[in-house]
Amino acid sequence: QQQVKQSPQSLIVQKGGISIINCAYENTAFDYFPWYQQFPGKGPALLIAIRPDVSEKKEGRFTISFNKSAKQFSLHIMDSQPGDSATYFCAASRETSGSRLTFGEGTQLTVNP
Amino acid sequence: DTAVSQTPKYLVTQMGNDKSIKCEQNLGHDTMYWYKQDSKKFLKIMFSYNNKELIINETVPNRFSPKSPDKAHLNLHINSLELGDSAVYFCASSQKPGRDNYGYTFGSGTRLTVV
Repeated sequence: QQQVKQSPQSLIVQKGGISIINCAYENTAFDYFPWYQQFPGKGPALLIAIRPDVSEKKEGRFTISFNKSAKQFSLHIMDSQPGDSATYFCAASRETSGSRLTFGEGTQLTVNP
Repeated sequence: DTAVSQTPKYLVTQMGNDKSIKCEQNLGHDTMYWYKQDSKKFLKIMFSYNNKELIINETVPNRFSPKSPDKAHLNLHINSLELGDSAVYFCASSQKPGRDNYGYTFGSGTRLTVV
């Protein structure tokens, strides 16, 4: 059973545009929602994370929006750049119990120059 | 100065062989993990160790055996390799939950190809 569902599978955006990737989760006990960025040949790297006590978190061009009632969260990349082209993974865990991260299926983002 | 290092980066081997992947972290983290990334890039946890103690053991064939000699090291030994074991294996480590910088730090992966 896939507990974290991510969409779209792939996304193509023009330079300067906004990239939006969505995730939905099932387990209401999840309390930590990170996003990871993975470049080819590299391991995933933590990009930004949110906990459910806030509805939005912004770090530079990256913003997480969190909707607890809908059990959804999304990543917005403003002013997308070709260097942002990578695979993005959302994830969720019950941080308070130290449980493992459950990852979404990943989104391949391509930003065209 | 690499935070989580895995060796080897590439591993090509024949079916039936036994191989090991090593992982070391210098971040002082208490918890370490092995994840498997398949050809569709899906990341699936295999094992987790906290301070040398096994805490997560997902449904993984018992041909896979992790070993943690100390909290900075987590190795993965695979017996009788099969074609379906071909994947990228990632080691990761994490801080204690609840801290501002909580999150997993991944190694750069070991691409295992079984021929």
